[in-house]
Formats: sequence, C-alpha cells, structure tokens
Amino acid sequence: GDSVTQMEGPVTLSEEAFLTINCTYTATGYPSLFWYVQYPGEGLQLLLKATKADDKGSNKGFEATYRKETTSFHLEKGSVQVSDSAVYFCAFGGSNYKLTFGKGTLLTVNP
Amino acid sequence: SQTIHQWPATLVQPVGSPLSLECTVEGTSNPNLYWYRQAAGRGLQLLFYSVGIGQISSEVPQNLSASRPQDRQFILSSKKLLLSDSGFYLCAWSGRRETEAFFGQGTRLTVV
Repeated sequence: GDSVTQMEGPVTLSEEAFLTINCTYTATGYPSLFWYVQYPGEGLQLLLKATKADDKGSNKGFEATYRKETTSFHLEKGSVQVSDSAVYFCAFGGSNYKLTFGKGTLLTVNP
Repeated sequence: SQTIHQWPATLVQPVGSPLSLECTVEGTSNPNLYWYRQAAGRGLQLLFYSVGIGQISSEVPQNLSASRPQDRQFILSSKKLLLSDSGFYLCAWSGRRETEAFFGQGTRLTVV
C-alpha cells in the first residue's frame, strides 16, 4: 500500500552544519510531494513542495528534489540554524486528495 | 487569505466524558476538511475527511466521530472518552482538487 519512509531521528547537529533527511515513498502514479515542519506545541506548516518529476521545491534555505527514478524526496539545507529545530514530516498526496505522512524526524540544532 | 481556527488549544477530560473539538475555515469555500491525530512520538494518523457538508469518511475504526454541519465547519466528537484517546488533534483543509493541506494549531487532549 501507499507509504512514506523517512529517516528516523532524532538528528542532532551543530549550527551551520549540513542537513539531510531522507524520504522515500511508495505510491501509485506520480503524487505531489511535500515537506512539513512542526515547531514545538504547534500545528504543521508547509515547508516546500514539488508536483512533478525533477521539480525542486525550496523555502527558507531548505531544498528537496522530486526523484521519480528513486521515488525519493530528500530534504537538504546547507547551513542549519538553532531556529530550525523542529519535527520534519515528509508526505505525498495522491489522486484521492489525502496526504500520507512519514513518522517525522526530530531535528535539534545546538549553538 | 485563508485561515483555519481550531479550539480549544488544550483540554483535560476524565475518562467517560464527552468530547467536542471544533474547526472552522475562513476565506475559502467547498474545502476538503481533515482530522488527524498525532500520538506521542509517532506520525500523523488520518481519522476523518470530508469533501462536503454531511459527507464524512472514516479512515480507522475508533471511539470518535466527525460531523460537518456547515461548509467550513468540522467537528470531532466522542460520547465517552477512553484513555487511549489522548493525543494531539489537528484539523486541516485543502482546496477542492488539491492535496496541499493547511493545518490548524492543534488541540492537546489529555484523558485522565
């Protein structure tokens, strides 16, 4: 069935380190792909998205590229900040207009 | 612009008591509406979704129900809460033919 597998955390980095959070999906067709971020005690915010193969979504220094051949959508940031500490969720949306989420990855950035 | 309101932010309820969580959306019409639950240390589980007034689809069997009495109002209810109903409940909406969803701030429910 449809599913999202993302890197298990927690991930702990120092400020200005490079970040990668891996995400792969299993779905029929070519879904839209998303990364959401959840800050402590809050709801989810859309971080970036890509709607077709080879699209690159980007926002706030974060990037992810829709790789159809590897069914992946890895999240990257070249230099993380303390304020990036949050839980990151990979998700895809299929033809039934429902989102399927990964389990989330907790990122902690230390000064 | 569109906004989504969800309340209350936190709730502590005894086992066996009823529950009503409300969610409203402003600035759009005919949205798809969703209720998710996030248990501690786990991902998001879709509980219910609705594509129109009175149209509710349940994703998992459980002690909860949902209703959509108006186009932009979505209510999550229970007649008798269980301890296992504790969690973080999130309401979300998306456009009619879109999968990109926008979330409310969530309700932290603790059943004691």
